[in-house]
Amino acid sequence: AQKITQTQPGMFVQEKEAVTLDCTYDTSDPSYGLFWYKQPSSGEMIFLIYQGSYDQQNATEGRYSLNFQKARKSANLVISASQLGDSAMYFCAMRERNTDKLIFGTGTRLQVFP
Amino acid sequence: NAGVMQNPRHLVRRRGQEARLRCSPMKGHSHVYWYRQLPEEGLKFMVYLQKENIIDESGMPKERFSAEFPKEGPSILRIQQVVRGDSAAYFCASSGSTGGFATGELFFGEGSRLTVL
Repeated sequence: AQKITQTQPGMFVQEKEAVTLDCTYDTSDPSYGLFWYKQPSSGEMIFLIYQGSYDQQNATEGRYSLNFQKARKSANLVISASQLGDSAMYFCAMRERNTDKLIFGTGTRLQVFP
Repeated sequence: NAGVMQNPRHLVRRRGQEARLRCSPMKGHSHVYWYRQLPEEGLKFMVYLQKENIIDESGMPKERFSAEFPKEGPSILRIQQVVRGDSAAYFCASSGSTGGFATGELFFGEGSRLTVL
């Protein structure tokens, strides 16, 4: 069965520093997609970044990059130059081929302090 | 903003009442997904619908919950005879085609927060 694991319930980082949020996954399907979403205190789900299992390069979107290590089945999110507005819950999610649903991890609460 | 619209944003019901949550997908999208988020947890898939069809309801509780996406109008998630355990945030997401969100093209609404007293 597919599974997403986020082992860090909470993380702290100082403003302007980089932070890595961990995500490991388990699937037997060779084709899958990995997603990161941000959920601020207001509650909406904001898409951050996507990595396909066959993508040759790690995905990047502005200050967000995804450290994709296929052999280790990990898809860690790296946020560079943290800002106070980055304080939020962060969810890792996976979609397998031929399904139309995302499986979410339990999330990591990131707090950025001045 | 022509994003995914959900209403109401907040709904309070007493035990035994019915809750109806609405979702209007993004313009041009015909695929709707409902997710439930219990407090301090991640989102859990409930149901996937296309216009007039339920494609996958493997995440829906067997009783009291139903969903529809009519030819005209929003998708509706209906919870009958609500209980306290139904208190959660219910998110709707839409995409333009099957598997279309392979590249991240799955757009979420802001959620509807149900509180059962």
